[in-house]
Amino acid sequence: DVKVTQSSRYLVKRTGEKVFLECVQDMDHENMFWYRQDPGLGLRLIYFSYDVKMKEKGDIPEGYSVSREKKERFSLILESASTNQTSMYLCASSIPGQGILGDFIYGYTFGSGTRLTVV
Amino acid sequence: KQEVTQIPAALSVPEGENLVLNCSFTDSAIYNLQWFRQDPGKGLTSLLLIQSSQREQTSGRLNASLDKSSGRSTLYIAASQPGDSATYLCAVKKGYSTLTFGKGTMLLVSP
Repeated sequence: DVKVTQSSRYLVKRTGEKVFLECVQDMDHENMFWYRQDPGLGLRLIYFSYDVKMKEKGDIPEGYSVSREKKERFSLILESASTNQTSMYLCASSIPGQGILGDFIYGYTFGSGTRLTVV
Repeated sequence: KQEVTQIPAALSVPEGENLVLNCSFTDSAIYNLQWFRQDPGKGLTSLLLIQSSQREQTSGRLNASLDKSSGRSTLYIAASQPGDSATYLCAVKKGYSTLTFGKGTMLLVSP
């Protein structure tokens, strides 16, 4: 089975800190995604990547950046953490196909999530 | 813009009941639809994936159907158990964009 691993289950950081959330997948997936999940708002896409060193903004990229130096690892960076970034962060990956359009026949695999609290 | 709605938002049933969770989407031009389960404080676990050319998928006590023309999907859970208690999310994939999620149905199955 595909495994998507998020390095931390819980994190507590201070306002203004630079925060790194790490995600690693073990099945050579080209596409990787970062979502945040908040009560009443559901899951919202922050950034995604369809190849090494490639990145695309999602619906709510402000205050975040990402890094994809290796295919298996996709990092989410909070440049200067703020209290409104307190949330559950979920990483996902999908099986590669014919480019980003090719993954339509496959589903997404999610990690177990990182609960980030910014104080 | 694709919107996904799940009804009901919450559901409480006694153990053993068969139940149906509903998902509707506004743009029928989708590639696939995926149902997920989420336990409190945890990540998402994929339950079923229905490709746009399919009408239904089954896994154990779960059956998901898809009617693209009407923009609807249902997740049927047979003989519900307390272990089925979780939030169920549906998500649709359209073209270049990634998944669009509904806000989920919180299910509680009481013994």
